[in-house]
Parts: sequence; structure tokens; C-alpha cells
Amino acid sequence: DSGVTQTPKHLITATGQRVTLRCSPRSGDLSVYWYQQSLDQGLQFLIQYYNGEERAKGNILERFSAQQFPDLHSELNLSSLELGDSALYFCASSAWQGLVTGELFFGEGSRLTVL
Amino acid sequence: QQQVKQSPQSLIVQKGGISIINCAYENTAFDYFPWYQQFPGKGPALLIAIRPDVSEKKEGRFTISFNKSAKQFSLHIMDSQPGDSATYFCAASMNTNAGKSTFGDGTTLTVKP
Repeated sequence: DSGVTQTPKHLITATGQRVTLRCSPRSGDLSVYWYQQSLDQGLQFLIQYYNGEERAKGNILERFSAQQFPDLHSELNLSSLELGDSALYFCASSAWQGLVTGELFFGEGSRLTVL
Repeated sequence: QQQVKQSPQSLIVQKGGISIINCAYENTAFDYFPWYQQFPGKGPALLIAIRPDVSEKKEGRFTISFNKSAKQFSLHIMDSQPGDSATYFCAASMNTNAGKSTFGDGTTLTVKP
């Protein structure tokens, strides 16, 4: 158990809809990262928050947004969903913004299916 | 542009054999190279990692070999066991934000008993 909790584990929705994925990082971790894992593209970095502030952006679509709340949990909002958004969405946390080990602790993911 | 290329895509090894997975990177600013292990239905978990100031790191049956000049690194699993069957990802990141990693596409390892 990594200590990172993601909900929901599975989500099925229709094109055009909006969903919110939730992540609770390991106790004490200030950094939260969101990754997308699809069959044909592996793990892709989407966005990072550190202590409530956005710190790095990757290949995140404009239809997607995220935030980190004062209690350090994070939410990833996906809107105007398309079939191609179907994927596993992982949240990871780490103790530091980037130094020391850089080890990421991943949750078990939220599997999104867009029909 | 894919910055970390991983091969092979899949690998089948007999129990007791050596599994070798290779990765190549392009960005010379990368200075942290972890390997993650992922079992079905689970998130990736850090297996072993190396920084470019050493050419090899060993932890139990798992060894990373690193060639800075060739911009390549590899994972060797000695005495492979059926329990090692999983997907392995190499990754690379910069010390300025080591958590923002660029991942390879993964290698599915099957160890046959």
C-alpha cells in the first residue's frame, strides 16, 4: 500500500460529460502529480501541484484542470469528454518538490471509460 | 518527441534466467533514472533508481547499469522468478523536479516456471 488514495476506482461516462477524480496523497507529502496511462502512450505527465500551487505542467489538455486544496488532497477535472480520454489516471505524491530521491508514490489509479 | 525509449515491449524468460530491459534517453539534463514495477490493477511502484555519478547500482536481484556517454541505462533481473512477472517502466527526470518524470512505454515481463 503506497498510502496514496484515489477515487473512484472505475468510472463510466458518456462523451461530452464532465468528471472529477480525487486523490489523497501520503500523509505529509506536499507534492501531487497526475499522470495519464493509456494503452498506446504509456505514462504521460499531466500536472503537478506543490502545497496548493501549480508547479509544473505537462501534456494536459485545456479541457482538463486540476487543483490542490488546503488539506493537500487534489482533484483532476475532465470536461467535454471524448472517446480518446478513456485511460487510467494515476495520482502520485512525493515529499519534496523534486530533490533528494524524487521517488513517486502512486495510487492504484482511476479507470475512466468514455462511451 | 519521445524522450525515453524502452525496449523490448515484451519479454518472456524462463525461471532462473536473466531479464534485461533497455532504455535510451535524449535529454542530457536528466539526472535521475528510476525503474518502476507495475502489477495488474496496481499503480507503479519504485523498484530501483540511479543517478549518473555511478555506472551501476545493485539491490538484491535487481541491477541498473548506466552508460552516460551512450545515454542508455538498463535493468537486469537476475534469477528471474514468476513473481517478477509485471510491467516495468524506466523513467528519467531532472533534479530540479525529480517527480516530473518522463516514462518509457513499458516492458511486459513474463517469467515462465
